[in-house]
Amino acid sequence: GAGVSQSPSNKVTEKGKDVELRCDPISGHTALYWYRQSLGQGLEFLIYFQGNSAPDKSGLPSDRFSAERTGGSVSTLTIQRTQQEDSAVYLCASSLNSGQGFYEQYFGPGTRLTVT
Amino acid sequence: SQQGEEDPQALSIQEGENATMNCSYKTSINNLQWYRQNSGRGLVHLILIRSNEREKHSGRLRVTLDTSKKSSSLLITASRAADTASYFCATAGHTPLVFGKGTRLSVIA
Repeated sequence: GAGVSQSPSNKVTEKGKDVELRCDPISGHTALYWYRQSLGQGLEFLIYFQGNSAPDKSGLPSDRFSAERTGGSVSTLTIQRTQQEDSAVYLCASSLNSGQGFYEQYFGPGTRLTVT
Repeated sequence: SQQGEEDPQALSIQEGENATMNCSYKTSINNLQWYRQNSGRGLVHLILIRSNEREKHSGRLRVTLDTSKKSSSLLITASRAADTASYFCATAGHTPLVFGKGTRLSVIA
């Protein structure tokens, strides 16, 4: 079946502009996660959604970052007034049920964001 | 934090050799997972070991878990050039998965 998809695959934007990154999780997966990975670094947790529960936003680095998940499926990560330090690969993952990591996560290919 | 820390940061071996990567973490966990990442993009789940398990096998992969030492190891036997990638451990407990910074494995043909 279809895996996790993300769009766009690459995004170049000017400093100060807003960007939206999209994630389509695997159908039936109730948990959805966003991570950020800077060059040569590990994954930095940003936010996760679990069913209809309030999202865990504890990893968002600033109030310029926000995310929503409509209808329990597609999610959009929005970065307002982008800064150069926002340049990274943004990865989305989904999993069955629990957001506490009890199940393996399936990752999308990522969106490479470059802020000039 | 229960962040996993992989060791070594980088490893270079000849094809056919075994590769061992280690992961240490700080707090109690429900399970520990290993992932592989090629070319800096999406990660692929390799294996999950639960806190009440000590060893698990999957093909050429062998994972051990020592909860008393809060450590895990990933062994890849008979390595191939295609195993060249970054390998991450991730711990699961009362928070979403927390990933380490990874081990970069290079398998030279």
